[in-house]
Amino acid sequence: EPEVTQTPSHQVTQMGQEVILRCVPISNHLYFYWYRQILGQKVEFLVSFYNNEISEKSEIFDDQFSVERPDGSNFTLKIRSTKLEDSAMYFCASKVANSNQPQHFGDGTRLSIL
Amino acid sequence: TQLLEQSPQFLSIQEGENLTVYCNSSSVFSSLQWYRQEPGEGPVLLVTVVTGGEVKKLKRLTFQFGDARKDSSLHITAAQPGDTGLYLCAGARANSGYALNFGKGTSLLVTP
Repeated sequence: EPEVTQTPSHQVTQMGQEVILRCVPISNHLYFYWYRQILGQKVEFLVSFYNNEISEKSEIFDDQFSVERPDGSNFTLKIRSTKLEDSAMYFCASKVANSNQPQHFGDGTRLSIL
Repeated sequence: TQLLEQSPQFLSIQEGENLTVYCNSSSVFSSLQWYRQEPGEGPVLLVTVVTGGEVKKLKRLTFQFGDARKDSSLHITAAQPGDTGLYLCAGARANSGYALNFGKGTSLLVTP
């Protein structure tokens, strides 16, 4: 069964450094999402992306965050200058259409900021 | 942000018992999804409900969407240790691009 894959599984970065999290969505999916889950808290929406544009973003997704689809397969989340509070699990999700079709999630990247 | 309240937060039962998990909101959703999440992994989709009053069954799991599309329940019959895990509900709205709004989850432990 097709799945969303994320790399790396764990990223350790010094505060202030840039980090790029990578995702390969399911191949025929057109809508892409990033979510984060701080330890012990609920999963929170960050951003949605379609047709090379941001569709929706939450208040969490400030100027330090950006997303890109650099080629036909990858979908990336960049944090320009990481803060301690950026430590979390980051999940990528994709779905086939802009409808009530379900989103399918990757296994996440655990980001640890030191 | 549309709050989704899940209850109970924790549930510990014995094998063979039945249980119900609730997901409630004051907001109407276009659809609601139930996921199961294991430690260190991403949420895995169990079901999507779209129509008010809809009932879906997945083996021993029964999912119901409220008539007003504001709430949902997950009922497990004859729970087994393999049902142990974190169950998440997540609502989507068309006017927010179907971004998912998650509940905090219900952590279920089924002991033999």
